[in-house]
Amino acid sequence: QSALTQPASVSGSPGQSITISCIGTSRDIGAYNYVSWYQQHPGKAPKLMIYEVTTRPSGVSNRFSGSKSGNTASLTISGLQPEDEAYYYCCSYTNILTAKTLAVFGGGTKVTV
Amino acid sequence: EVQLVESGGGLVKPGGSLRLSCAASGFTFSPAWLTWVRQAPGKGLEWVARIKTGGPADYAAPVKGRFIISRDDSKNTVSLQMNSLKKEDEGVYYCVLGIPRHWDDAFDIWGQGTMVTVSS
Repeated sequence: QSALTQPASVSGSPGQSITISCIGTSRDIGAYNYVSWYQQHPGKAPKLMIYEVTTRPSGVSNRFSGSKSGNTASLTISGLQPEDEAYYYCCSYTNILTAKTLAVFGGGTKVTV
Repeated sequence: EVQLVESGGGLVKPGGSLRLSCAASGFTFSPAWLTWVRQAPGKGLEWVARIKTGGPADYAAPVKGRFIISRDDSKNTVSLQMNSLKKEDEGVYYCVLGIPRHWDDAFDIWGQGTMVTVSS
């Protein structure tokens, strides 16, 4: 069982916007502004899309945006494109002394375009 | 170009040992904190271990006491010694580099991964 809860799948048509939720607790998402999001295409390594809740690394399209409210983080993809079809994972920094892990991931969301 | 290249994966029997290596290039290795993340077949990502500058390490509960992460700054490599392997340790193991000052919360550079299969 993953520590963070994501929907199994989200779908949208080209050009539409979709939002993926990531539900944590007051010990991870709620405690730190260190939420990151990763895109993974089949057979490939994950790619960092968002970190520190809202920051996009250089080279990541501004169609990807992140937000957080309380214990829930969200990733929004606007202007959906076929190449956005992939799995998306959220991740939160946490306290290794209490959580027994330093970072917790969500179970992943399959985005279908 | 920043690059991480893992090696050492393979087939091992339950209870056996395996040593993974990660060769780093394209960045200043010594101040960097390196992380191992794994992914079971068809499953999500799982943080495994991280080593800081100078060697202090942290481990996820499922591997603590069985896995040892180490680094050799003279060779720009980080290793993961895996002992007492279980079926649930099976998966692709990624060597990961975070963004400077976000070593633990922004996993920016990922290796191609190396597959570990635990089977008798």
